[in-house]
Amino acid sequence: QKEVEQDPGPLSVPEGAIVSLNCTYSNSAFQYFMWYRQYSRKGPELLMYTYSSGNKEDGRFTAQVDKSSKYISLFIRDSQPSDSATYLCAMSDRGGSNYKLTFGKGTLLTVNP
Amino acid sequence: DAGITQSPRHKVTETGTPVTLRCHQTENHRYMYWYRQDPGHGLRLIHYSYGVKDTDKGEVSDGYSVSRSKTEDFLLTLESATSSQTSVYFCAIHPSSGSGANVLTFGAGSRLTVL
Repeated sequence: QKEVEQDPGPLSVPEGAIVSLNCTYSNSAFQYFMWYRQYSRKGPELLMYTYSSGNKEDGRFTAQVDKSSKYISLFIRDSQPSDSATYLCAMSDRGGSNYKLTFGKGTLLTVNP
Repeated sequence: DAGITQSPRHKVTETGTPVTLRCHQTENHRYMYWYRQDPGHGLRLIHYSYGVKDTDKGEVSDGYSVSRSKTEDFLLTLESATSSQTSVYFCAIHPSSGSGANVLTFGAGSRLTVL
């Protein structure tokens, strides 16, 4: 079992839809949870960052972490064609791990006008 | 890309030839990383560095070596390239001060094709 599991999709939705992206993980030591967005032929860029459990909201984006279930989610409200990208979840344990991140495989999202 | 420059951005080479990819940062960060990205595998850590001359292996280090002789440069070398090393390589840095303590910032990537 990989440490981080993420459905690669692809996921195709109409403009304005609510999108839900998810990852599960097996390592209970993970404390830091991130979502990166990667446009085609570009480097990943940080979208959301959460420490431990709970919710975090930033505009149309909401990140949720449920450590008891080892499950994290990213919700995109009122999705736009510009949201079309690959979304990568990433996580790490405490800083003593030299800040190494473990990534999911990424989910390819297309938002259709 | 937050002061990270990768070179070359694209390279085509033949099996058995040596290849060096360079990552240059302008912000004096201590931690630097090399990841590779492949379809069906996501991003996987090859090697990382936690200071000048201080490096360690990641999960897919076989066939790769690294060097860091100065803070700003982290080199990834494929001593004898193989077709299985065809991939997109990303350098990342950890901004070791400020908030978001465990967040990495990535470069634009180097696309390597081994024929």
